[in-house]
Amino acid sequence: DAGITQSPRYKITETGRQVTLMCHQTWSHSYMFWYRQDLGHGLRLIYYSAAADITDKGEVPDGYVVSRSKTENFPLTLESATRSQTSVYFCASRAGGNTDTQYFGPGTRLTVL
Amino acid sequence: AQKVTQAQTEISVVEKEDVTLDCVYETRDTTYYLFWYKQPPSGELVFLIRRNSFDEQNEISGRYSWNFQKSTSSFNFTITASQVVDSAVYFCALSEARQAGTALIFGKGTTLSVSS
Repeated sequence: DAGITQSPRYKITETGRQVTLMCHQTWSHSYMFWYRQDLGHGLRLIYYSAAADITDKGEVPDGYVVSRSKTENFPLTLESATRSQTSVYFCASRAGGNTDTQYFGPGTRLTVL
Repeated sequence: AQKVTQAQTEISVVEKEDVTLDCVYETRDTTYYLFWYKQPPSGELVFLIRRNSFDEQNEISGRYSWNFQKSTSSFNFTITASQVVDSAVYFCALSEARQAGTALIFGKGTTLSVSS
């Protein structure tokens, strides 16, 4: 199916473990984004990518790593998970510049124990 | 700095009532884009509308309408004859044209509860 998908949809892990959240889009959109959603904070940008091999930090990048070797994939890695990273993570993509609309994946609910 | 404020944290209405969700934004840019997204209880984020700063025409789509006023930096969203299925969190967001590649700046959302 076309669109933007995220996996896993739900994940429980323990403090200190490495976790990778996957994001895949079939539109060949240039831009991809990772947000986290927390009560009281709304959605905050973690990282974004303008194209393959081009990534940049957002508002809350600490503790996260991203890569983008292929246009369609944009994985987010928590190198050593902490309880404060318990959140819902949304991936989004956008075809081009800021005139275009961002479309969101279904989200990944991550719990760090 | 850019900012989006949704002052109404929660709104509760009864079916068939009209309801307006407020959105006030701040930006120094003359070219910018405003968006509304809906997040139903299932959790996904659904795009509703995009408006650029040069187009102040109000928009109507079925029971939904949007009022954009640059003079007050507001982009309000009205649901006419609300239904239970409208229950969701609604987010207003801003994107500035001058900063290529930037993401959306979201408000903190308004939770709308529509009871039957």
